[in-house]
Amino acid sequence: AQKITQTQPGMFVQEKEAVTLDCTYDTSDQSYGLFWYKQPSSGEMIFLIYQGSYDEQNATEGRYSLNFQKARKSANLVISASQLGDSAMYFCAMREVQAGTALIFGKGTTLSVSS
Amino acid sequence: EAGVTQSPTHLIKTRGQQATLRCSPISGHTSVYWYQQALGLGLQFLLWYDEGEERNRGNFPPRFSGRQFPNYSSELNVNALELEDSALYLCASSLAGTGIEAFFGQGTRLTVV
Repeated sequence: AQKITQTQPGMFVQEKEAVTLDCTYDTSDQSYGLFWYKQPSSGEMIFLIYQGSYDEQNATEGRYSLNFQKARKSANLVISASQLGDSAMYFCAMREVQAGTALIFGKGTTLSVSS
Repeated sequence: EAGVTQSPTHLIKTRGQQATLRCSPISGHTSVYWYQQALGLGLQFLLWYDEGEERNRGNFPPRFSGRQFPNYSSELNVNALELEDSALYLCASSLAGTGIEAFFGQGTRLTVV
């Protein structure tokens, strides 16, 4: 079974609109971390936001917020006020602290922002 | 503060040769992770080093190996290169024990011809 599932291969959004990128995860660990990364066409992986499994508040970083629904094992990324520079591949990832795993990545979602 | 640095940026090898990729973590980070990203695919976990020891290994054949040096920099070696090894190899580092905010280098693009 896949540990991280991103069901949207591609998403399209207009500039200044908000967009939600979906991510569901599967783990039996009680302690884990959830990450979102952005990968532009240049290839570098840019860390966006982190949510710990024990964090009660949803993480926010500027225009990025993580909609964490623990019972549903969901960690969706919300980008408010999209910009042309947001066009990139977005990856959701998980680290299982008790199992001692490295980051496990989903297959990614390609976001295209148009003017 | 310098980020994670990888060298070389690009590497072209012929089938059967060996490739060596290098990674320098962020200062103070003791964990180094290696990932393979083949064209159009997600990141596949290769190796995780922490404090000089291999902590975990992904589902890759033994010809993928590496090590971590006392200064926490790391080397990934790929022996007997195959065409399918052509990929972007990404290195990340983090503070040991937290795993928060793993930062990535810019990657090494390996092409096997």
